Amino acid sequence: DTAVSQTPKYLVTQMGNDKSIKCEQNLGHDTMYWYKQDSKKFLKIMFSYNNKELIINETVPNRFSPKSPDKAHLNLHINSLELGDSAVYFCASSQGPVASSTDTQYFGPGTRLTVL
Amino acid sequence: RKEVEQDPGPFNVPEGATVAFNCTYSNSASQSFFWYRQDCRKEPKLLMSVYSSGNEDGRFTAQLNRASQYISLLIRDSKLSDSATYLCVSGGFKTIFGAGTRLFVKA
Repeated sequence: DTAVSQTPKYLVTQMGNDKSIKCEQNLGHDTMYWYKQDSKKFLKIMFSYNNKELIINETVPNRFSPKSPDKAHLNLHINSLELGDSAVYFCASSQGPVASSTDTQYFGPGTRLTVL
Repeated sequence: RKEVEQDPGPFNVPEGATVAFNCTYSNSASQSFFWYRQDCRKEPKLLMSVYSSGNEDGRFTAQLNRASQYISLLIRDSKLSDSATYLCVSGGFKTIFGAGTRLFVKA
């Protein structure tokens, strides 16, 4: 059983398109995250949700809109895709509230987005 | 200055060697730290947590020096399977990842 799953694994699309990435965790965790890992392998937090509520929203363009229909799911919709959006997007989850600094984060396998 | 800084490497070591990585952090209020491991084209996975004075798990030892604001990871008796990127992480309200240190262990 996959603990944190993401779909799709690969996404190749044209500039200007709108796309969504889905994430699900079956660990019963309260907190979920989206990270972006760019070509320099730097992993940066974008958003985090605790029990469907947005907790962290980093300086991400508003073309990126997360949605959490329930605490087991956190989807990421991206409008008007740009070349610079090409990266690997990782979903993650952790047990407690995001303010808890001791929780391990469990990552999904990543979605490799290529914008042409 | 980056919030979490690591030497990107790569570190090239023979099997059986001992290798150490250092990481510095800028937020003196950070309470917890972690080492994650990331294999090529895979997701990061927790290697070990670092609390208070440090932590040991088999061949891996992590140390925290609050006065100097750095943490370290020591790997003894390196195995080929230890080849990966090691990410230093500062926990808290916002998790901050370092850019990673690449390790290659050769036969």
